[in-house]
Amino acid sequence: DVKVTQSSRYLVKRTGEKVFLECVQDMDHENMFWYRQDPGLGLRLIYFSYDVKMKEKGDIPEGYSVSREKKERFSLILESASTNQTSMYLCASTLPGANVLTFGAGSRLTVL
Amino acid sequence: AQKITQTQPGMFVQEKEAVTLDCTYDTSDPSYGLFWYKQPSSGEMIFLIYQGSYDQQNATEGRYSLNFQKARKSANLVISASQLGDSAMYFCAMRELTGNQFYFGTGTSLTVIP
Repeated sequence: DVKVTQSSRYLVKRTGEKVFLECVQDMDHENMFWYRQDPGLGLRLIYFSYDVKMKEKGDIPEGYSVSREKKERFSLILESASTNQTSMYLCASTLPGANVLTFGAGSRLTVL
Repeated sequence: AQKITQTQPGMFVQEKEAVTLDCTYDTSDPSYGLFWYKQPSSGEMIFLIYQGSYDQQNATEGRYSLNFQKARKSANLVISASQLGDSAMYFCAMRELTGNQFYFGTGTSLTVIP
């Protein structure tokens, strides 16, 4: 069964901490995405990557960076976490031109 | 402008009844795909159904069908014979085939009443 695995389901961090959210897929997908989900706002794209070491900003990249050193792994980095980054973070992957986006289980981050 | 608009924040339906969740989209790309995802309270996003812009017939998957009206730019999800397990958030999404991005709506929370 194909899988997108997010390393942490729940995290609690303090303001100013550096936070890493890891996402690994085993489907050999080129495209990987990080979304943020907030009530009433739906899913908003933070960054996506269409190949190793390639990345593009989504709609809300401020305060985030990403890393894609290997095809299967796409990391989201919060350099200095703030309380307004408390949210659910969803990783997803797909093949170029594919008709389905496969999601991980999500990482719920709370920044105190 | 919003690429995907879902105007119903919350919907209620009686068990065994049909329900329609609304979705309109905005694109100038002639080639695009439309998707619906279900998100139960557990949080995982479950792919339900896909409709391509050039598909002549409305997509169906079991109790799910997509009412695709291209001229009106709408892609409503119809769930027939609702079940208690259908209670969840439902997201409409679009992918323009010239790009890599998937655009999501704000979601509709569906509650099925016994």
